[in-house]
Amino acid sequence: EPEVTQTPSHQVTQMGQEVILRCVPISNHLYFYWYRQILGQKVEFLVSFYNNEISEKSEIFDDQFSVERPDGSNFTLKIRSTKLEDSAMYFCASKGLAGYEQFFGPGTRLTVL
Amino acid sequence: ELKVEQNPLFLSMQEGKNYTIYCNYSTTSDRLYWYRQDPGKSLESLFVLLSNGAVKQEGRLMASLDTKARLSTLHITAAVHDLSATYFCAVEIIGTASKLTFGTGTRLQVTL
Repeated sequence: EPEVTQTPSHQVTQMGQEVILRCVPISNHLYFYWYRQILGQKVEFLVSFYNNEISEKSEIFDDQFSVERPDGSNFTLKIRSTKLEDSAMYFCASKGLAGYEQFFGPGTRLTVL
Repeated sequence: ELKVEQNPLFLSMQEGKNYTIYCNYSTTSDRLYWYRQDPGKSLESLFVLLSNGAVKQEGRLMASLDTKARLSTLHITAAVHDLSATYFCAVEIIGTASKLTFGTGTRLQVTL
């Protein structure tokens, strides 16, 4: 069964460093999303991406964040200069053109020290 | 701004008992989802509710949707320990790449 994959599963970084979180969506899906979940809190929407551009972004998704689909399979989230408060679990999700359900990846736990 | 609230936030229940989790949302919604999350894990889709009056059941879990009341419920029947997890509802308003707005989550603990 196709699934969304994410790498790495856990990333530890120093404050101020850049990180890139990687996602491989389900192969025929066209809509891509990033969400984050601070430990013990609810899941929050960051950004949606369709047709090689951002469709919508939240207030959390400021100038420090960017997304890219560098090739036909990967979807990346870059945080340019990490802050302590960026520590969270980051989930990638994808959705097909015909369907309505978003499929979530296993997540990347980001720890900023 | 769409707000999604769940109650209770935490629920401790004994095996064999029944209980209901409530999900209220603030504006008209097109779809409502229920997810399960185990500690440190991803989100597992449980139900998708597409229209007013929709009811779906899987095992000991049953979800329903009342769009007029802007309320969804997740009913647990005869709880077992394996149901211990955090349950989230999520609301979708259809757009080009419609995002999900998640509820606060309900942490369910089923005790023996």
